[in-house]
Amino acid sequence: QSALTQPASVSGSPGQSITISCTGTSSDVGSYNLVSWFQQHPGKAPTLMIYEVSKRPSGVSNRFSGSKSDNTASLTISGLQAEDEADYYCCSYAGRDVVFGGGTKLTVL
Amino acid sequence: EVQLVESGGGLVKRGGSLRLSCAASGFTFSSYTLTWVRQAPGKGLEWVSSISSSSSSIYYADSVKGRFTISRDNARNSLYLQMNSLRAEDTAVYYCAREGVVVAAYDYWGQGTLVTVSS
Repeated sequence: QSALTQPASVSGSPGQSITISCTGTSSDVGSYNLVSWFQQHPGKAPTLMIYEVSKRPSGVSNRFSGSKSDNTASLTISGLQAEDEADYYCCSYAGRDVVFGGGTKLTVL
Repeated sequence: EVQLVESGGGLVKRGGSLRLSCAASGFTFSSYTLTWVRQAPGKGLEWVSSISSSSSSIYYADSVKGRFTISRDNARNSLYLQMNSLRAEDTAVYYCAREGVVVAAYDYWGQGTLVTVSS
């Protein structure tokens, strides 16, 4: 159950687009289209932003999109806004278990 | 409105035990898989354990297997986590979460309860 690999931090200016990668293995990300992304603001519980690689829950802005290629999933946020500044976590089904990424801190400059 | 409210956290000595509870409301509790996820201070999220709607399927992270027991009472709309043989590395905020349409799609989370294991 090794954690998925995410960059520790990314940054972008308002209006720009950023992409956060999430690299796993053929036992998790590569085998299942069951990758989710969560946003977490300081002191708050996580919020589901993307599930099944690219689906958005009701109420989540279409500025958030997800994709996957082989063992790597990606979250793209377009039209960056100040309120997007948060920690982002990917998560994947891994057969019987679930594994999270280490998290990425997004800074909006 | 869907609500998940955790309780039972606190300070416990290494080797001790603690039982967390999660009270659910606003949805048909017995229809959903529930999960515990924890977050050590300043660290990332870690999946701990999941239990299916009827308790027929239960899974644990290797880090807690043999020490933690997840259970649920569908009549009481409650989820539990019995934690034994606690270690310093179990110190974390523990969240209960509802698994939505598919595995790992945790669509509702509680506010979390802090467990601190002292040495």
